[in-house]
Amino acid sequence: AQRVTQPEKLLSVFKGAPVELKCNYSYSGSPELFWYVQYSRQRLQLLLRHISRESIKGFTADLNKGETSFHLKKPFAQEEDSAMYYCALRGGGGFKTIFGAGTRLFVKA
Amino acid sequence: ETGVTQSPTHLIKTRGQQVTLRCSSQSGHNTVSWYQQALGQGPQFIFQYYREEENGRGNFPPRFSGLQFPNYSSELNVNALELDDSALYLCASSTLAGVGEQYFGPGTRLTVT
Repeated sequence: AQRVTQPEKLLSVFKGAPVELKCNYSYSGSPELFWYVQYSRQRLQLLLRHISRESIKGFTADLNKGETSFHLKKPFAQEEDSAMYYCALRGGGGFKTIFGAGTRLFVKA
Repeated sequence: ETGVTQSPTHLIKTRGQQVTLRCSSQSGHNTVSWYQQALGQGPQFIFQYYREEENGRGNFPPRFSGLQFPNYSSELNVNALELDDSALYLCASSTLAGVGEQYFGPGTRLTVT
């Protein structure tokens, strides 16, 4: 079964602390993995995708095929990082994107 | 460049009624995907349209149907509404089916009473 699991509904960290949002997936094949972000009163938007291997707003994510994980990391959290984060998977055929339930990140001053 | 727009913003319907939601894709995009997002959940894929043809479908019953027009705008129709259809409905457009980055609209909040 194709599935994306985000085990934490809420993650609260202090400003300047490292943050890691966990994502595990289940898929038989080679999926494409994404992180989407939704800031307060804004629409859902792409944060990063594993094939681009880039750092966006200080966030990085590495695809670990052995552990079927795609955790999102940032070494020093900022208050403006507070948002809802969704991990997503797009599989063979490319038309269907599967989202996790999301993790709300709250960065405290 | 015009972003993805959706209408209406929100609406309330009664169980058993039918509803049509609309989506205008971003300029230059030929693919539209629709998602249902229940409260506290991530978006769930309903279906995708590419160049006016359904290109793939998620695990939704046939009473969920769609259309894409020559200008690549799209409609989502839901017949025989049920209480569980209450959700935020999102559309996302992209340039290439299955390849391009998806750009999401603000969503339509549907409440079924």
